[in-house]
Formats: sequence, structure tokens, C-alpha cells
Amino acid sequence: AQKVTQAQTEISVVEKEDVTLDCVYETRDTTYYLFWYKQPPSGELVFLIRRNSFDEQNEISGRYSWNFQKSTSSFNFTITASQVVDSAVYFCALSVPNRDDKIIFGKGTRLHILP
Amino acid sequence: GAGVSQSPSNKVTEKGKDVELRCDPISGHTALYWYRQSLGQGLEFLIYFQGNSAPDKSGLPSDRFSAERTGGSVSTLTIQRTQQEDSAVYLCASRPPALDIQYFGAGTRLSVL
Repeated sequence: AQKVTQAQTEISVVEKEDVTLDCVYETRDTTYYLFWYKQPPSGELVFLIRRNSFDEQNEISGRYSWNFQKSTSSFNFTITASQVVDSAVYFCALSVPNRDDKIIFGKGTRLHILP
Repeated sequence: GAGVSQSPSNKVTEKGKDVELRCDPISGHTALYWYRQSLGQGLEFLIYFQGNSAPDKSGLPSDRFSAERTGGSVSTLTIQRTQQEDSAVYLCASRPPALDIQYFGAGTRLSVL
């Protein structure tokens, strides 16, 4: 069975600080996808990134970066120089292609960026 | 439209009534998913459609829940004889062919009094 754990329920940082959101996953499959989604107060889940299990290269997109380490089954997300608009709930998720296609979500981390 | 559209955005109903929630996926997206987001339970998968057929209904919590999709487009999630524990945000997502990324709507917030 697949499982995604986001140990940090809620984090508060002051604007311009860097913050890392942790994600640990479990699966016995060798082929899988990992995702991060952002849920702002409006409620819509916004897709941020997808990584496949064969690509451990870290990725940077503007102030966002992701660190994927298969050895520790982790897929952490870092926001550099945080801004108030980054305040949201962030979900880490896992899916196994060609099986049931559903996404298994972590419980989410609520991030507060304080001005 | 540009994104996944769900209606209504909010629904308040009395216990025991039936409700219908609607999802309009992104044009051209062949797969459609329903999830439920409730306090303490996180995001739970409910059902998945490929075209008009539902190969995976494993997440439906009870036989009071059903869903259909017609014309490979719009989907309706129906909850019969609603209970207070059905109160949650119901999210719909769609996925284009040959790409494993799901795009979500803003959800329907259901409150059962």
C-alpha cells in the first residue's frame, strides 16, 4: 500500500525567510510519481510539480525547489525568500501509473507567512 | 472554460435530502476523478472515470454515493439521504490523455445540517 506522510501540520515563518516542507512516502512499486500541490484559501488545488521515480535530479523553479532522495524516500519542498502570497496548505502526493491512477495525498502542511 | 469547473460552490442541505454535485472537466481531458476533503481525514479518493466508465469505485464510502459521467465530459456525484458526516469539500479533477497530472477544480463545500 502507498502512504504519504507530512509530519509538519502547521508552520509559521516571517516573510523573506526560507522554509522547507517535509514529505516522506512509502510504496513497494519501482515506478511512481510524486507531486506537490498548493491549496490557497480559495480552495482550488494548484499543481506545482511532478517527478517520476527514475529522475532524482533536484529541480528549481524561481523561489521554489524540490529535493528528491530515494534513499530516504523523501521529496522535500523549499521556498526561498518566502512571501505572504505563499501562505496556503501544501500537499505532497504519490501515484502509481497504470494501476488505479488515484493520487494518495499526505495530510498537508499549513504554511503561514507573517508580514 | 480554462479550468475544471464545479457547481455549486456551496451547498447547504438538511439531513436525509439528496444532493447532486456537478463537475465540468477541462475540454479534451479523458479521465475524471472525485475526491473528498474533510477535517481530520485529509483528501480521500472517491471514484475515477476513464471516458464514461468507472473502473475504480473503491473509494465510495457507502451505497448512498453514486456518480456518473456522460458524453465523456460532465460528471455528477450524487449523495442520497445525506448524513452529517457527509459534510466536506468535494473536489473534482481531470487529466489529459497520456499525462499523469490531475488538474483540480475549486470544489463544492457541502454542509449537512
